[in-house]
Amino acid sequence: DGGITQSPKYLFRKEGQNVTLSCEQNLNHDAMYWYRQDPGQGLRLIYYSQIVNDFQKGDIAEGYSVSREKKESFPLTVTSAQKNPTAFYLCASSIAPASGGETQYFGPGTRLLVL
Amino acid sequence: EDQVTQSPEALRLQEGESSSLNCSYTVSGLRGLFWYRQDPGKGPEFLFTLYSAGEEKEKERLKATLTKKESFLHITAPKPEDSATYLCAVQIYGQNFVFGPGTRLSVLP
Repeated sequence: DGGITQSPKYLFRKEGQNVTLSCEQNLNHDAMYWYRQDPGQGLRLIYYSQIVNDFQKGDIAEGYSVSREKKESFPLTVTSAQKNPTAFYLCASSIAPASGGETQYFGPGTRLLVL
Repeated sequence: EDQVTQSPEALRLQEGESSSLNCSYTVSGLRGLFWYRQDPGKGPEFLFTLYSAGEEKEKERLKATLTKKESFLHITAPKPEDSATYLCAVQIYGQNFVFGPGTRLSVLP
């Protein structure tokens, strides 16, 4: 079955610690995205990548970093510089960049909590 | 500033009681409007894409419509399994998606 997987489902971060969220897709999609979801707010774009070895900042990139070494994988690191990391993190992909009108498909999400 | 708003914030319906959810947008250069369903603790599930005013899409008890300033998601004779948060997103030419905050729908048996 084709789809997007995210791991872990829950992640706990200690103060000052960097943590990495995994996102893998086997849909052969070129574009991948990371969103943050907070209660009562719309999804906010953190980073996106249209092609391997290239990525761009979204609206709220501060305190986050990404890499895109393989087409299938787009991990997100939440660094210690992100002072309010508690949120639900969603990874998405589309066959081509979303600016071309392509539908984004989402993974199941990772909930990050701060200890 | 490009904005997407959704109303109501929350909606409670009895099973079989039809209603509509609204998504209003103030953007220039709409490329597409997308509806998603999100269950608690899960990722959004794609429902519909609408590209031009007057367009309609249907899937089971759901029907999405689009005008120049808003979209409606009509729910006909809903069932408890339709309970979820419904998200809309707009895409502007050359840019990424802008999501609304969602409408939380509860359908009571």
